[in-house]
Amino acid sequence: DAGVTQSPTHLIKTRGQQVTLRCSPKSGHDTVSWYQQALGQGPQFIFQYYEEEERQRGNFPDRFSGHQFPNYSSELNVNALLLGDSALYLCASGVNEQFFGPGTRLTVL
Amino acid sequence: GDSVTQMEGPVTLSEEAFLTINCTYTATGYPSLFWYVQYPGEGLQLLLKATKADDKGSNKGFEATYRKETTSFHLEKGSVQVSDSAVYFCALSPYSGGYQKVTFGIGTKLQVIP
Repeated sequence: DAGVTQSPTHLIKTRGQQVTLRCSPKSGHDTVSWYQQALGQGPQFIFQYYEEEERQRGNFPDRFSGHQFPNYSSELNVNALLLGDSALYLCASGVNEQFFGPGTRLTVL
Repeated sequence: GDSVTQMEGPVTLSEEAFLTINCTYTATGYPSLFWYVQYPGEGLQLLLKATKADDKGSNKGFEATYRKETTSFHLEKGSVQVSDSAVYFCALSPYSGGYQKVTFGIGTKLQVIP
């Protein structure tokens, strides 16, 4: 079992650009959640996808959007990047007990 | 809304010392409680969990007991090792009919020195 995988590992963008991050859940998991972890902080819940629909959302602006595919993999899209969007983005699969991927480190310059 | 408060670090201990990291929570209903660990450069790993009052979660020598009366879930280990150096996050997941999200504390950095 490969566990939760994310790509890319690192990403550098400039302000105003758009970015897409990808996640493949743990085998057998149909629920994917995304978190933003700023440096020195705990992860903050962005949203959760189940059956290709957004089921819950945290306090993030509409610039953050997502998608889930029929194979349960997921994408996180961030538009109009701000410097403050620089963070580690974590994907987790499972409900209640969540298994986390290694994250994508996004740097916005 | 739900929240988790944990002691801020960093916490520096000598090897074989006793560890306690305090965690308290605010939530409606009957949340599940977790401790996650994050080693340098890695993602989060579930360390232990408890799903109802008075449950004790344990793993790798770490323990935490779900105390509903004090809304606490303190992490303890009797004898820490250098390899335990990491950031520890207390977290909760609310009971919400299966649509769960996890609320994390700020994290406590533990450094164990030989």
